[in-house]
Amino acid sequence: DTAVSQTPKYLVTQMGNDKSIKCEQNLGHDTMYWYKQDSKKFLKIMFSYNNKELIINETVPNRFSPKSPDKAHLNLHINSLELGDSAVYFCASSQAQGHETQYFGPGTRLLVL
Amino acid sequence: LAKTTQPISMDSYEGQEVNITCSHNNIATNDYITWYQQFPSQGPRFIIQGYKTKVTNEVASLFIPADRKSSTLSLPRVSLSDTAVYYCLVGEGYQKVTFGTGTKLQVIP
Repeated sequence: DTAVSQTPKYLVTQMGNDKSIKCEQNLGHDTMYWYKQDSKKFLKIMFSYNNKELIINETVPNRFSPKSPDKAHLNLHINSLELGDSAVYFCASSQAQGHETQYFGPGTRLLVL
Repeated sequence: LAKTTQPISMDSYEGQEVNITCSHNNIATNDYITWYQQFPSQGPRFIIQGYKTKVTNEVASLFIPADRKSSTLSLPRVSLSDTAVYYCLVGEGYQKVTFGTGTKLQVIP
């Protein structure tokens, strides 16, 4: 019954590896997002997808590539992981863009060693 | 993009009313004001949203003065479970939105 789910919950990996984080929402929402929360607790948007199309791509390195196979899923693939990628990554969804309420997943805690 | 300023932290005793004020001097005409709550190790959770005057739901009230350059989140009779970080967001959409550090509310028994 979880509205927005993410896997894995924890991810520990070595520098240079490639990893993916999966996100699924069962709310029937049209828009999905990826956020990054750093050690200082700043939560910043990375990507926004509306109906499987990229709407926002903030100044995120191209090592980060979102993939939306369908409206209910937005996965995040990260190539050549760096130490600075260590953070908590949150997936979220909303009915539409604009000022719609966002529903967040539980987060994926990524630690790059 | 409207920038928001909130107190970094606040303490309150159980049962008290807590008011957290957010300043957003350059709010735009189409901007809404939204508050989120985040518990440790969880994603943010929507609390309340408003455009002007007062909005109330089962969790909180949001007071917005006529000039809309600030807003106040009011939590009635807080309990220990209200200990969390509270974020104020201003914008028409979520493009280029940074939640910032929010206000860390500590409820004391």
